[in-house]
Amino acid sequence: AQSVTQLGSHVSVSEGALVLLRCNYSSSVPPYLFWYVQYPNQGLQLLLKYTTGATLVKGINGFEAEFKKSETSFHLTKPSAHMSDAAEYFCAVSVAYKYIFGTGTRLKVLA
Amino acid sequence: GAGVSQSPSNKVTEKGKDVELRCDPISGHTALYWYRQSLGQGLEFLIYFQGNSAPDKSGLPSDRFSAERTGGSVSTLTIQRTQQEDSAVYLCASRGGTVDNSPLHFGNGTRLTVT
Repeated sequence: AQSVTQLGSHVSVSEGALVLLRCNYSSSVPPYLFWYVQYPNQGLQLLLKYTTGATLVKGINGFEAEFKKSETSFHLTKPSAHMSDAAEYFCAVSVAYKYIFGTGTRLKVLA
Repeated sequence: GAGVSQSPSNKVTEKGKDVELRCDPISGHTALYWYRQSLGQGLEFLIYFQGNSAPDKSGLPSDRFSAERTGGSVSTLTIQRTQQEDSAVYLCASRGGTVDNSPLHFGNGTRLTVT
């Protein structure tokens, strides 16, 4: 069975600091992996996705994620946090037509 | 272009009443999903439609929940005899094509409050 674990339901960083949001997955077959962002009172917006090929994936708003098969991880990073990055972030895995989401990490950016 | 549209954006209802939530997917998207997002929790899969195939209803939490998709486009999620635990944000998403590496496109959700 496929599953996604996001470590840390809340993460706080200072403006300009590195953002690191953790995601580990479990899948019996090669997974397709996604990161989504949710701003207040909005739906989820795609940040980036991993399908096959290059393990370092670049997304929108300066975010990127690295697929590490040996660690079953797909952590999301951004070199320098901006106040506008404050939101909730979800990692997801898809196999066949099923999309399994993690419980989310709420990112707070401190001025 | 137009994204996924959900209505109403907010719904307050009394316990025991029925509610209908509507989703207009992106034009041409053949796959449509409903998810439920409760406070502090992730997204809970409810139901999946793909073209004219029989829907996957395995996520519906009880027989009070049902959904239909007419003409392969608009979908309605119906909750009968609402309970307080049904209070949540209901998200609809659509996807183009049939490959599972395509991302889902989400609407802004309907926030349901059962009093």
